[in-house]
Amino acid sequence: EDQVTQSPEALRLQEGESSSLNCSYTVSGLRGLFWYRQDPGKGPEFLFTLYSAGEEKEKERLKATLTKKESFLHITAPKPEDSATYLCAVDYGGSQGNLIFGKGTKLSVKP
Amino acid sequence: DAGVTQSPTHLIKTRGQHVTLRCSPISGHKSVSWYQQVLGQGPQFIFQYYEKEERGRGNFPDRFSARQFPNYSSELNVNALLLGDSALYLCASSPSGMVPEKLFFGSGTQLSVL
Repeated sequence: EDQVTQSPEALRLQEGESSSLNCSYTVSGLRGLFWYRQDPGKGPEFLFTLYSAGEEKEKERLKATLTKKESFLHITAPKPEDSATYLCAVDYGGSQGNLIFGKGTKLSVKP
Repeated sequence: DAGVTQSPTHLIKTRGQHVTLRCSPISGHKSVSWYQQVLGQGPQFIFQYYEKEERGRGNFPDRFSARQFPNYSSELNVNALLLGDSALYLCASSPSGMVPEKLFFGSGTQLSVL
């Protein structure tokens, strides 16, 4: 069964304390892996798309990487405004438009 | 430019009732997808429509149906509501409906079934 697993479920960091979030997937024929950020009561907001192993993308304090079995979202020197739930989703070529999402990692950054 | 807009933002229904949720995509986007997000879970795919045609369907019962209009807006209908249908319903749009393509999500409709 195609699956996307994110870890940890929750992460508490002090401001400036760098860390990484993990997304592992067991799908065949990966066509793209997406990272989204979701704030409470809001819809997911797009961050990155990764297409092939070895690819990396950066945006401000965030850097996403991809291997054949997992992706990491590295957060460098986080700030309180980075607090949110980070969702990973994969496009595996199933039903058109069908992304499989993980359950997310809830990140809290304390000042 | 306006983002994806959904209405209503909140809705309370009782078991057995019917509900219609509405979505307006970003101007110029022709594809609309619907997702269900239960508290503490990631979004789960329900439908995708492109140019008024259904292009994909997730693992949901026939009580769930949708349609897309000529102006690319969309409706999600749920019949015979169950308690388990309580969730945040998200609409997402994308320019072409070609995958893989990033989705732009609305803020969702929070449905509570009592």
